[in-house]
Amino acid sequence: NAGVTQTPKFRVLKTGQSMTLLCAQDMNHEYMYWYRQDPGMGLRLIHYSVGEGTTAKGEVPDGYNVSRLKKQNFLLGLESAAPSQTSVYFCASSPMYDRINYEQYFGPGTRLTVT
Amino acid sequence: AQSVTQLGSHVSVSEGALVLLRCNYSSSVPPYLFWYVQYPNQGLQLLLKYTTGATLVKGINGFEAEFKKSETSFHLTKPSAHMSDAAEYFCAVKNYRDNYGQNFVFGPGTRLSVLP
Repeated sequence: NAGVTQTPKFRVLKTGQSMTLLCAQDMNHEYMYWYRQDPGMGLRLIHYSVGEGTTAKGEVPDGYNVSRLKKQNFLLGLESAAPSQTSVYFCASSPMYDRINYEQYFGPGTRLTVT
Repeated sequence: AQSVTQLGSHVSVSEGALVLLRCNYSSSVPPYLFWYVQYPNQGLQLLLKYTTGATLVKGINGFEAEFKKSETSFHLTKPSAHMSDAAEYFCAVKNYRDNYGQNFVFGPGTRLSVLP
């Protein structure tokens, strides 16, 4: 049981390049999330998904797109990277019991630098 | 809208001393409350949570937190700090009725340093 995994762990992009971050979970969780973490700002929600084939915007969605074609995977895409997107990105998932979702389980993070 | 404040972005304690990390929240409905810990270059791990029932909750590594509704607080404590407790700690709140929208709101974090 690997929990939540993220690939890649590190990446350096040039402004304008695109990339996709992959998140996978093997716990059969319904909910999945993408956050970015910046110094002094805690975690901010980018996008989230409440199930396969569904996604929704979070607090800071601009410049990002997501897809959840399979229940276990949640992809985060940057179509045209900007230096402001330099950050550490965390994926998380959470189970739903009795129609309520509880705590989240986090991946190890992806450190992205945009030059 | 819910919000979380953590007093003190950086707290230093001596090894063996009491650890107290403060968390206050705003929520219009009864919340679920969480403390997460992040060790360097790692993801967040759940320390403890309050959903319903007993207001004093115990977590891993000797930490505990008390939900005080009248003070809208959920402070994290540990009687005796250990060097391995050095990490960043995040408080989070969730509206127990909200399974959509922005589920969890995280505080800005408090970095705990433990001095020998």
